[in-house]
Amino acid sequence: GNSVTQMEGPVTLSEEAFLTINCTYTATGYPSLFWYVQYPGEGLQLLLKATKADDKGSNKGFEATYRKETTSFHLEKGSVQVSDSAVYFCARRYSSASKIIFGSGTRLSIRP
Amino acid sequence: EPEVTQTPSHQVTQMGQEVILRCVPISNHLYFYWYRQILGQKVEFLVSFYNNEISEKSEIFDDQFSVERPDGSNFTLKIRSTKLEDSAMYFCASSGDTGTGGYEQYFGPGTRLTVT
Repeated sequence: GNSVTQMEGPVTLSEEAFLTINCTYTATGYPSLFWYVQYPGEGLQLLLKATKADDKGSNKGFEATYRKETTSFHLEKGSVQVSDSAVYFCARRYSSASKIIFGSGTRLSIRP
Repeated sequence: EPEVTQTPSHQVTQMGQEVILRCVPISNHLYFYWYRQILGQKVEFLVSFYNNEISEKSEIFDDQFSVERPDGSNFTLKIRSTKLEDSAMYFCASSGDTGTGGYEQYFGPGTRLTVT
């Protein structure tokens, strides 16, 4: 079916480590892809997005590239900070105003 | 920066009671949504609303749920007879910026509903 699968957490890293959170999707057609972040006690914030194949979304040092061949949208950051500790959700959307389908979320904890 | 607001931040109710969760979407947005997140689980779509009617709803959104935009600013989710399994964080979102033409969904901070 149409879904989003992301690596299970929790993920614990030391400050300045390299981060990858894997995300793959199954879908017909070409959805828009997103990463949302949920900091402790807060709501969902859009972190980055990509709307077509080979697009790279980036924000706050995070990047993700829309890979049609592997149906993936992995989140990466070269050097994480303690303030990056949060839950990260991969998500997709088919059309401009349609619902967002979220992955299960990956909890990231960064040790000082 | 404009933001989506939700009230209350936490609602405790007894099973069988009715609750109304309130949202104020971003003022020039056209599309409105409710999602929920049961503790420790994924965020799930409930319903979308456009032009004063429901445009899509999920299987979760059964007859005990309803949505309304009673005036030009509020968007409400009513649960008629709450069940224990309705305990969750409920997020409102809005999109469709008439000014920029953007369709990013902006989420509110959520209302935590606890049914006892």
